[in-house]
Amino acid sequence: GENVEQHPSTLSVQEGDSAVIKCTYSDSASNYFPWYKQELGKGPQLIIDIRSNVGEKKDQRIAVTLNKTAKHFSLHITETQPEDSAVYFCAAFNQAGTALIFGKGTTLSVSS
Amino acid sequence: ETGVTQSPTHLIKTRGQQVTLRCSSQSGHNTVSWYQQALGQGPQFIFQYYREEENGRGNFPPRFSGLQFPNYSSELNVNALELDDSALYLCASSLVGGNSPLHFGNGTRLTVT
Repeated sequence: GENVEQHPSTLSVQEGDSAVIKCTYSDSASNYFPWYKQELGKGPQLIIDIRSNVGEKKDQRIAVTLNKTAKHFSLHITETQPEDSAVYFCAAFNQAGTALIFGKGTTLSVSS
Repeated sequence: ETGVTQSPTHLIKTRGQQVTLRCSSQSGHNTVSWYQQALGQGPQFIFQYYREEENGRGNFPPRFSGLQFPNYSSELNVNALELDDSALYLCASSLVGGNSPLHFGNGTRLTVT
């Protein structure tokens, strides 16, 4: 079945620095890759997503890149702020398109 | 636009008991999925409902069951609770069709003692 691996598990940066989180997936049929941000006591919030016919997508300080050949996708956050501190999850749909398979999460800490 | 709402927010049950968790979909969404999130882990897919029928199931035993109602709201039922069932249970709604974005509620924190 589909497997999603996410690195690093923890990431500490200074305010204003960039942060990069990387994921790999196993099922070459996957074609939709969302990223979620989860704050303490809340559910995952969709922050950006990308489909397989696109190599890169940007939304203000957040960007996602996808390399279908290598089965890699990455989240880039520029000019980090303390409110970016949270757990970030990458995910990919299973082959049936019914279930999201999540990575294990990256805890991002932004210190001011 | 109303988001996904779940109730209750917290619940404590005893091993062997049964529990029902509830979810209201985001307006306009016709598909509901349930996920279990253990502490420090990513969410794991339990099942999805569309048109009041199960439309996919993860690796969970039959004591996990669900319902979807005509207004697209949903319930997750767990029988014969075990200590390992302690987790955050998340409901997500979406439009039908593979690869549609999922929007999650804030979950129900279930503790089994």
